[in-house]
Amino acid sequence: SQKIEQNSEALNIQEGKTATLTCNYTNYSPAYLQWYRQDPGRGPVFLLLIRENEKEKRKERLKVTFDTTLKQSLFHITASQPADSATYLCALDPSGSGGYNKLIFGAGTRLAVHP
Amino acid sequence: KAGVTQTPRYLIKTRGQQVTLSCSPISGHRSVSWYQQTPGQGLQFLFEYFSETQRNKGNFPGRFSGRQFSNSRSEMNVSTLELGDSALYLCASSLAGGSASGNTIYFGEGSWLTVV
Repeated sequence: SQKIEQNSEALNIQEGKTATLTCNYTNYSPAYLQWYRQDPGRGPVFLLLIRENEKEKRKERLKVTFDTTLKQSLFHITASQPADSATYLCALDPSGSGGYNKLIFGAGTRLAVHP
Repeated sequence: KAGVTQTPRYLIKTRGQQVTLSCSPISGHRSVSWYQQTPGQGLQFLFEYFSETQRNKGNFPGRFSGRQFSNSRSEMNVSTLELGDSALYLCASSLAGGSASGNTIYFGEGSWLTVV
């Protein structure tokens, strides 16, 4: 069956360290993968999109990798801050075409950055 | 510019009733999609509308329906409410093309529905 899996356990790290979140998928062939941040009671906020032909994408302190062989994406936050505490969701378009806005989301990983 | 606006923000309904939720996309955005978020199932795609036409549909029963108006505003309706319909309903909008075209998807704050 088709699945997107993210670490269900919360990730607790110290301020200043690098947080690494994992997204694994099975039985999909996505043309791209996206990462979102969601704060409690709020809607998800788009962070980064990485295409299948891109190995790595960066935006300020954020870095995403995409390995279509391993069917895995890693999301890194360097020099983490307490304000980075939130749930991070990965999402992909199951059609693979990317022409529409139908996304399948992982369950999300809750990140807590401690001072 | 104004973000995606959803109304109402919170509502409580009784089993068997029906509910209509409204979404105003960002000005210029023609694609509107709806998602249901629950603690157990996470974020699940309901449907997507583009130029008043349903372009995609998720695996939800026919009690869940939606529509889009000529001004791109969208509504979703849930009839014969069940306790399991209690959830955060999120609307998202983007420009015409899909997200792989480089068009960012913007989510609203959601409508919290409680069915009692």
